[in-house]
Amino acid sequence: KNEVEQSPQNLTAQEGEFITINCSYSVGISALHWLQQHPGGGIVSLFMLSSGKKKHGRLIATINIQEKHSSLHITASHPRDSAVYICAVPNSGGSNYKLTFGKGTLLTVNP
Amino acid sequence: NAGVTQTPKFQVLKTGQSMTLQCAQDMNHNSMYWYRQDPGMGLRLIYYSASEGTTDKGEVPNGYNVSRLNKREFSLRLESAAPSQTSVYFCASTRVTNEKLFFGSGTQLSVL
Repeated sequence: KNEVEQSPQNLTAQEGEFITINCSYSVGISALHWLQQHPGGGIVSLFMLSSGKKKHGRLIATINIQEKHSSLHITASHPRDSAVYICAVPNSGGSNYKLTFGKGTLLTVNP
Repeated sequence: NAGVTQTPKFQVLKTGQSMTLQCAQDMNHNSMYWYRQDPGMGLRLIYYSASEGTTDKGEVPNGYNVSRLNKREFSLRLESAAPSQTSVYFCASTRVTNEKLFFGSGTQLSVL
């Protein structure tokens, strides 16, 4: 099974700050997912990436396949960005249908 | 489009009771999944269906059964609920593997 570690577990920021959330995994993968879950809410897929960088609005996701590491950046953070951010990768040696999910990073952005 | 529709949103069961969680997607996706989410743990895969007519076990299948009724619908059944099955359940779908996941809104299940 692919081991997934996210850091930090909790992050508190002031509105406008630049945010970085990290995700490391143990076994090489074909793609990595970043998800967002608002408190008491559903889960939304933010990015699925296999190399390089992807950008959507104020969100940027990067991945370094050689270092088995991905980062999610939020520029000009806003209180509505407060949520749990989760990364997920395929299990090692198995079907890409089976993902291992990180425990999530709880981000709180204060006004 | 509604995306992934999951019912019910909340359910309370007594130990030993049975119930079925329903999931339907209107995006013509091939693959569907059932996950459970417990405090302090990442989402864990219960069962998945790679395509219509196929189902396979995930990480935590014990105590559950699934049915891929057609391409749209994928149901999860608890035959004899146990307190350890208290959790939040999410259904998800993808067009094919390694594509973006689309999640339902979740079912909060309590087994007393």
